[in-house]
Amino acid sequence: GAGVSQSPSNKVTEKGKDVELRCDPISGHTALYWYRQRLGQGLEFLIYFQGNSAPDKSGLPSDRFSAERTGESVSTLTIQRTQQEDSAVYLCASSLERSRSTEAFFGQGTRLTVV
Amino acid sequence: AQSVAQPEDQVNVAEGNPLTVKCTYSVSGNPYLFWYVQYPNRGLQFLLKYITGDNLVKGSYGFEAEFNKSQTSFHLKKPSALVSDSALYFCAVRDGYSSASKIIFGSGTRLSIRP
Repeated sequence: GAGVSQSPSNKVTEKGKDVELRCDPISGHTALYWYRQRLGQGLEFLIYFQGNSAPDKSGLPSDRFSAERTGESVSTLTIQRTQQEDSAVYLCASSLERSRSTEAFFGQGTRLTVV
Repeated sequence: AQSVAQPEDQVNVAEGNPLTVKCTYSVSGNPYLFWYVQYPNRGLQFLLKYITGDNLVKGSYGFEAEFNKSQTSFHLKKPSALVSDSALYFCAVRDGYSSASKIIFGSGTRLSIRP
């Protein structure tokens, strides 16, 4: 596609429910990143995929968070038993990883509100 | 481990004056450095990057940044600020030496340009 696509753009869920967030990277981009941005704050790294393997999961806040990626395509971030503290914008980015010097391109994000 | 710091939460500049947004970094190997801008309710947009070569790099919207290895800094600059430059700016770093390094973002600096 033309850019990184994330869905849904907005999600309101009840505390305790599970949610799935989807990211479609730019076609051909081998690297994919998930970040969390709380209101008025910076980007918190969650997880990084190279192809469908995740060499760095160090940013996942708890075992309620998981992510997977199918090949060099779609990724889903799953949050189980959501808590109010999970409310944030979840941003996905992808990059063409021929070398590590390439910049990442971001989607518009999914705004998650846990009530 | 890699890290990046943006020491100023907010920078206020009068339109037409030069602006500087500060960034310092720490990596084990060679730094790959990036600047992104985030306008309200929009995703992050790439501005510029330093990989190697000239210490002064030029990017979008008239912005430039100066890489200083001895001070481990990568400050963003613009000779003459516009009101439309008002936004949230993020510095990011990647360790160019590591084969599987993530992109880490600073906490962001809010730039406010007054008419």
